[in-house]
Amino acid sequence: GAVVSQHPSWVICKSGTSVKIECRSLDFQATTMFWYRQFPKQSLMLMATSNEGSKATYEQGVEKDKFLINHASLTLSTLTVTSAHPEDSSFYICSARAPPDTQYFGPGTRLTVL
Amino acid sequence: KQEVTQIPAALSVPEGENLVLNCSFTDSAIYNLQWFRQDPGKGLTSLLLIQSSQREQTSGRLNASLDKSSGRSTLYIAASQPGDSATYLCAAEGEKLTFGTGTRLTIIP
Repeated sequence: GAVVSQHPSWVICKSGTSVKIECRSLDFQATTMFWYRQFPKQSLMLMATSNEGSKATYEQGVEKDKFLINHASLTLSTLTVTSAHPEDSSFYICSARAPPDTQYFGPGTRLTVL
Repeated sequence: KQEVTQIPAALSVPEGENLVLNCSFTDSAIYNLQWFRQDPGKGLTSLLLIQSSQREQTSGRLNASLDKSSGRSTLYIAASQPGDSATYLCAAEGEKLTFGTGTRLTIIP
């Protein structure tokens, strides 16, 4: 099946710094990618939909200036958490849509902000 | 707004038993219903995907059913094994993929 990778798998940063997370579709092109976050013992919540070559669509309540999404190519989307704070600590998971219409999920990135 | 609920939130059963996990959704206008498995600290593993036109899908010891009209799906696991211990998530895809709250399954050896 299709493979989606994420890098890094875990990251620890200091409060106030920015962190970039990469999501790559390894064996297919994805015009649409999705970013989710998951708090401990909770389900996944969609943060934003990333479309190649255009601006991302953010879900209600998600600050677009804080969570910057760039989808510069058909195989790469990045999520940058700017001025990270401890409350941003979470598990971030991306997915990529492969033809005809199936989402494949990455392994996730554990972010801890000290 | 789609809401997806899973009952029970946690389940412990002895090894070898058959079990059923439940998923309900409020908006029946969905394209498909998916079941995932998530191990602690890990990403998602897709188990089964049922298209809206289908009633069920099977893979090995797993069988998932879908009843759109009643807004329900079930995941049946036959002859459970300790390796089945994980959190199981269902997700309904309409305008977007909406995840359920998950069922944490523990199989007791």
